[in-house]
Amino acid sequence: GAVVSQHPSRVICKSGTSVKIECRSLDFQATTMFWYRQFPKQSLMLMATSNEGSKATYEQGVEKDKFLINHASLTLSTLTVTSAHPEDSSFYICSARDREGDAFYGYTFGSGTRLTVV
Amino acid sequence: AQKITQTQPGMFVQEKEAVTLDCTYDTSDPSYGLFWYKQPSSGEMIFLIYQGSYDQQNATEGRYSLNFQKARKSANLVISASQLGDSAMYFCAMSPRIGAGSYQLTFGKGTKLSVIP
Repeated sequence: GAVVSQHPSRVICKSGTSVKIECRSLDFQATTMFWYRQFPKQSLMLMATSNEGSKATYEQGVEKDKFLINHASLTLSTLTVTSAHPEDSSFYICSARDREGDAFYGYTFGSGTRLTVV
Repeated sequence: AQKITQTQPGMFVQEKEAVTLDCTYDTSDPSYGLFWYKQPSSGEMIFLIYQGSYDQQNATEGRYSLNFQKARKSANLVISASQLGDSAMYFCAMSPRIGAGSYQLTFGKGTKLSVIP
């Protein structure tokens, strides 16, 4: 089945630095990538939606200058948390929609990245 | 706009027993898809089962079945013969089925299931 590889799985960074999270679709073309954020014991909250070759669409309240999303190819999307602060510590997870997929097959999740900002 | 409601923050079930996790939804889309995902403590999202709004029969996948009642806008997950490995968070989600748009998933708040030996 479809696989999305997400790296790193865990990262600790110092406050003020930037962190890049990658999601690669290994065996299908991901025209659309969704980026979610999940705080402990809470649900997944959609941060942004990116389509290959175009600018990401951010959800209300998400700072686009802080969470930079790049979807330059059909197999790679990246999320960069710029000037990270402790409140950015969270679990970030991506989800890709297969190019030709029906809704049933359309959502494949990465394994998630646990970000801790110290 | 779509909305998913999961009213059970936590559930306990005895090993080998069946358990039902509740999910109700609200949408104005004429066609939509309903999903259940399992999230163990490791964080990965594991797809369990899918139901299309126009599917005539309730979906089943092994020990998982989806009790779909369209008129009541409910899509409850039934897990039969619970196993210790079923202990996890369970999320109900939905997406538009057709039409233009990003087909994004909307998630409920989740239910934490604990299986007791």
